[in-house]
Amino acid sequence: DADVTQTPRNRITKTGKRIMLECSQTKGHDRMYWYRQDPGLGLRLIYYSFDVKDINKGEISDGYSVSRQAQAKFSLSLESAIPNQTALYFCATSDWDRGLPGELFFGEGSRLTVL
Amino acid sequence: AQSVAQPEDQVNVAEGNPLTVKCTYSVSGNPYLFWYVQYPNRGLQFLLKYITGDNLVKGSYGFEAEFNKSQTSFHLKKPSALVSDSALYFCAVRDRANSGYALNFGKGTSLLVTP
Repeated sequence: DADVTQTPRNRITKTGKRIMLECSQTKGHDRMYWYRQDPGLGLRLIYYSFDVKDINKGEISDGYSVSRQAQAKFSLSLESAIPNQTALYFCATSDWDRGLPGELFFGEGSRLTVL
Repeated sequence: AQSVAQPEDQVNVAEGNPLTVKCTYSVSGNPYLFWYVQYPNRGLQFLLKYITGDNLVKGSYGFEAEFNKSQTSFHLKKPSALVSDSALYFCAVRDRANSGYALNFGKGTSLLVTP
């Protein structure tokens, strides 16, 4: 089984619909992240969480919200999806490395298409 | 401000030849640098990192990277490319000035190794 699991893997929806992308991890890491990947733009950080009570906005948080339900679960919501939110979304986790966040471990991605 | 740059959108190399994928960074303080690889329809996989110590870092699948502080570069290298190395490669930097030490990614470089 994958250490970082994302559901759904693919989703097609319509403008204005509410969408939730879910992420669960078995690595025991405190830190979890949501990134968005667009061709030619690389990965951009949407939200990150350092523990259950800590949620922080990233570079492109507008139009998104998150919920850290437990150490192992971190979900991303689009309250009212719009076409420019069509992208590949990645959840990632990290542990500590000499007092700082270590390398990221990624899920397989959730491809979202908003029509 | 962009803190990591990958100047090449695509790198083409013949199998058996050495390969280099370029990365330059701009951060305050000591940089923590990473390379990731993404195969089609997959999440990103960690290749290697530079935190401190030797400027030449060895990683997975025979890849290595050289940290050059004076040139603010962290180029990814492999002495002999394989067709199976064809993938999308991302350089990333941990920037203390941005997003609580979350990683900032470059836009990615597509590597194509031809037989």
